[in-house]
Amino acid sequence: GAVVSQHPSWVICKSGTSVKIECRSLDFQATTMFWYRQFPKQSLMLMATSNEGSKATYEQGVEKDKFLINHASLTLSTLTVTSAHPEDSSFYICSARAEDYSYNEQFFGPGTRLTVL
Amino acid sequence: RKEVEQDPGPFNVPEGATVAFNCTYSNSASQSFFWYRQDCRKEPKLLMSVYSSGNEDGRFTAQLNRASQYISLLIRDSKLSDSATYLCVVSGTGSARQLTFGSGTQLTVLP
Repeated sequence: GAVVSQHPSWVICKSGTSVKIECRSLDFQATTMFWYRQFPKQSLMLMATSNEGSKATYEQGVEKDKFLINHASLTLSTLTVTSAHPEDSSFYICSARAEDYSYNEQFFGPGTRLTVL
Repeated sequence: RKEVEQDPGPFNVPEGATVAFNCTYSNSASQSFFWYRQDCRKEPKLLMSVYSSGNEDGRFTAQLNRASQYISLLIRDSKLSDSATYLCVVSGTGSARQLTFGSGTQLTVLP
């Protein structure tokens, strides 16, 4: 199957720091990538849909100025958490849709665990 | 009302048991349906797609009832390795075909 990587796998930072998370599709091109957030004991919540070469579409309640998304190529999308605060501590997961695979299947990265002190 | 609702469990069953999970979704225009499994502190992995005619993959059987907006997953002959959280997932109607996840049902298979 298609492989998606994320980097870093975990990060601990001080409050006020900006953190950048990379999501890469390793063996396929992804015109669409998705960013999710998962708090403990809760399900994945879609934050935004990232389209290569255009602005991301954010879900209601997600601050676009705080969570900056860049999808500059068909294999890379980045999420930057600007001025992170403890309430931003969460498990951030990206996924990518491979158009050559089944119509709706998304392949998930291994996630990035962010802890803001 | 949540878009995708699941019984959170936990379900604790002995090895070899048969266990069933249920899920309901609110958007009647939803197009595609899936079961994912998520192990602790890991990303979700696709277990199987769910088709209107019902489908089976080894010990796993999935059913979809569009009229009732209900999805089920049956696991037969449970193994210890089946212990995980099972997520009911529905694909939206938007052009991006976003996925909406249920909150998951936790399963623990006991020796």
